[in-house]
Amino acid sequence: ELKVEQNPLFLSMQEGKNYTIYCNYSTTSDRLYWYRQDPGKSLESLFVLLSNGAVKQEGRLMASLDTKARLSTLHITAAVHDLSATYFCAVDQRGGSNYKLTFGKGTLLTVNP
Amino acid sequence: NAGVTQTPKFQVLKTGQSMTLQCAQDMNHEYMSWYRQDPGMGLRLIHYSVGAGITDQGEVPNGYNVSRSTTEDFPLRLLSAAPSQTSVYFCASGLLAGGETQYFGPGTRLLVL
Repeated sequence: ELKVEQNPLFLSMQEGKNYTIYCNYSTTSDRLYWYRQDPGKSLESLFVLLSNGAVKQEGRLMASLDTKARLSTLHITAAVHDLSATYFCAVDQRGGSNYKLTFGKGTLLTVNP
Repeated sequence: NAGVTQTPKFQVLKTGQSMTLQCAQDMNHEYMSWYRQDPGMGLRLIHYSVGAGITDQGEVPNGYNVSRSTTEDFPLRLLSAAPSQTSVYFCASGLLAGGETQYFGPGTRLLVL
């Protein structure tokens, strides 16, 4: 059974600081997704990582994937208040007709002035 | 494109009542899925479908039924609601081919008394 672990689960940071959210998973997969969720809202896709060594960047966020280590990171550079949200990673399992996304529990990020 | 739509937005049920949560997408996606989101648990997959007439169970299928008679619609049925089914329910859709994320609907908040 695939397990996806995110850490930290709670992150309070000051504006202007850098930090990294980690996403570890337990079985082989070369597809990983990052989502953002604002309070009371739905999930918004941030990044799709499809191969070992993949790196994607959008604004102050950068995501990477190391399939050999079964690890993805979401790096935040010079945080701003607007980045406050919950961030989820999700790992894609495929095989035959199976197509399942398994989510981590999410990281609640609060950026303080 | 309306994307993924869900109705109702909010529902209160009494224990033992039945209801159907509606989900529709207009992007011609083969894949559709239902998740529930509970505090501290992330998103857990209930049921999914890889095409019309094909459904399969996810991580937490008990108490829920689904069917997929058309590509566009994927309703979720609660046969006899229980307080443990109080949650926020998200429907999502996506392409089966690699490289695409899933797109999430706005969610249905369900309270079972």
